[in-house]
Amino acid sequence: DTGVSQDPRHKITKRGQNVTFRCDPISEHNRLYWYRQTLGQGPEFLTYFQNEAQLEKSRLLSDRFSAERPKGSFSTLEIQRTEQGDSAMYLCASSLQGMGNTEAFFGQGTRLTVV
Amino acid sequence: QKEVEQNSGPLSVPEGAIASLNCTYSDRGSQSFFWYRQYSGKSPELIMFIYSNGDKEDGRFTAQLNKASQYVSLLIRDSQPSDSATYLCALGGGATNKLIFGTGTLLAVQP
Repeated sequence: DTGVSQDPRHKITKRGQNVTFRCDPISEHNRLYWYRQTLGQGPEFLTYFQNEAQLEKSRLLSDRFSAERPKGSFSTLEIQRTEQGDSAMYLCASSLQGMGNTEAFFGQGTRLTVV
Repeated sequence: QKEVEQNSGPLSVPEGAIASLNCTYSDRGSQSFFWYRQYSGKSPELIMFIYSNGDKEDGRFTAQLNKASQYVSLLIRDSQPSDSATYLCALGGGATNKLIFGTGTLLAVQP
């Protein structure tokens, strides 16, 4: 296992289209986090899974956003009816314990551009 | 007031000098404090974390925590051009123990 993997690395989409991103965490990690990062800002928390259960969602996550982690393995983040304000780097991280207790490993991110 | 405040920089230091990066936070209940490094276009990487007041050293890096004053800092000794990156301060906590990040400080080490 070489770390957290995210796919695709880059996505350009037209406004109004739906997009889906995938994250494959480190295999033994049961905690998975999604963050969003815009230029000049730090990562902003979006949502958190422990195994397959989605335990926390940020108020940043509007009803156009949905995330899943079926079977507690990989996770997907879908954005429906994309808007230009959705353009950002979407980062996935995984850890053995909560991120506040141990090292979390980030994937390389998916850079979304909405045109 | 943001939960985590950092000066965005850039902080410019000459090679071999000590770089001092600072972070203040508003939540007195925060229990854990992290420093991540992020190169341009790359994902964040953990440098170190600290839980207790005082200093914690790891190689050229020293994290300092003062809970009474609600600040945490990172010192980088013998700074190298390869240290040039954005340094993100983050707080751990909450029921799901997620990290809350600051905006980051851009460090530029001049050869």
